[in-house]
Amino acid sequence: GAGVSQTPSNKVTEKGKYVELRCDPISGHTALYWYRQSLGQGPEFLIYFQGTGAADDSGLPNDRFFAVRPEGSVSTLKIQRTERGDSAVYLCASSPDRDRARYNEQFFGPGTRLTVL
Amino acid sequence: GQNIDQPTEMTATEGAIVQINCTYQTSGFNGLFWYQQHAGEAPTFLSYNVLDGLEEKGRFSSFLSRSKGYSYLLLKELQMKDSASYLCAVRDRVSSNTGKLIFGQGTTLQVKP
Repeated sequence: GAGVSQTPSNKVTEKGKYVELRCDPISGHTALYWYRQSLGQGPEFLIYFQGTGAADDSGLPNDRFFAVRPEGSVSTLKIQRTERGDSAVYLCASSPDRDRARYNEQFFGPGTRLTVL
Repeated sequence: GQNIDQPTEMTATEGAIVQINCTYQTSGFNGLFWYQQHAGEAPTFLSYNVLDGLEEKGRFSSFLSRSKGYSYLLLKELQMKDSASYLCAVRDRVSSNTGKLIFGQGTTLQVKP
């Protein structure tokens, strides 16, 4: 079946602009994660959704970052007043449910490469 | 604090064996994961260890020692397609409630003919 998909695959924007990054998790997966990966680094946790609610947003770097998942499936990561330091690959992952996420079933999407000029 | 260390780069020869080490210091421990990531692609799950010992899965094996805060990923019979970044990730006591992963910087493995 279809895996996690993310759109757009690439996004180039100018400093100060607003961007939205979309994640379509695997159908039926209730747990959804956003990570950010800078060049040469491992992914860094941003936010976790269980269903529609953000259960852990401790990784969001500041209040310019916000994410929603209104119907418990698709999620959107929103970045206001983008800065050059926001340039990175933004990865989304989903899992069947929180308990199984404790083990090995966290499936990653291909990511959105964000470049802020 | 949390700290996960792994070598930045490694090179090995096709057909050989390579061991990628990972050391971690976290607040409690609730599982260690290895992921493979080819350039420009999504990380894909390789292995999971929560108890001490060796887990074998085909050409790949992963070892864990919780008392030493140490793991390694062993790749046998290397193939050119194994050239990728290998990510070590840990769940600590706090993150075990949410499932989030704490990643190391990744080890870029280059397999040469």
